[in-house]
Amino acid sequence: RKEVEQDPGPFNVPEGATVAFNCTYSNSASQSFFWYRQDCRKEPKLLMSVYSSGNEDGRFTAQLNRASQYISLLIRDSKLSDSATYLCVVNVLTGNQFYFGTGTSLTVIP
Amino acid sequence: DAGVIQSPRHEVTEMGQEVTLRCKPISGHNSLFWYRQTMMRGLELLIYFNNNVPIDDSGMPEDRFSAKMPNASFSTLKIQPSEPRDSAVYFCASSRGLGSNTGELFFGEGSRLTVL
Repeated sequence: RKEVEQDPGPFNVPEGATVAFNCTYSNSASQSFFWYRQDCRKEPKLLMSVYSSGNEDGRFTAQLNRASQYISLLIRDSKLSDSATYLCVVNVLTGNQFYFGTGTSLTVIP
Repeated sequence: DAGVIQSPRHEVTEMGQEVTLRCKPISGHNSLFWYRQTMMRGLELLIYFNNNVPIDDSGMPEDRFSAKMPNASFSTLKIQPSEPRDSAVYFCASSRGLGSNTGELFFGEGSRLTVL
């Protein structure tokens, strides 16, 4: 079983739309959670951390549900520049291992 | 500040040849990770080091793959002999490591390997 599971998409949404991604993780010992963004043919980069109480960064909102072991990312008012692959990441701190989901592809259409 | 530096950026080789990928982590980072990315399998952790010591190499596909970190500023990933199924983008990443983990992995630009 994979450590992190994501719907690969693709999600094709019009500009201005709201879109949500979810991912689930299997290791209940996971301690830290993140969303990374990867542009085509580039390296992944940290988008935001995910905190237990939920957190917001501009148009982006991340939520964590430990009981159900899932993480979500909500993007409001989508921009063309949001087109990318979004990777869900969990970290098991005891071993400092970062596990990545396979990513969800988003294309924002004019 | 320099980020994670990988070389070569691109390599095309023939089956059976030895491939060596190189990585220089960010200065002061204690953890170094090697990942492989393909369309089918996404990002797979191959091996990671803490303070130059390999901690988990369970992701290394087989004995043809080996990784070393002789010092805090350099690591190599070697494939010998290479096979077409090894074609992928290989990323090196570093982080501040255990005890002070911010959760941010900093990735290099990757080494795109094609084995013919």
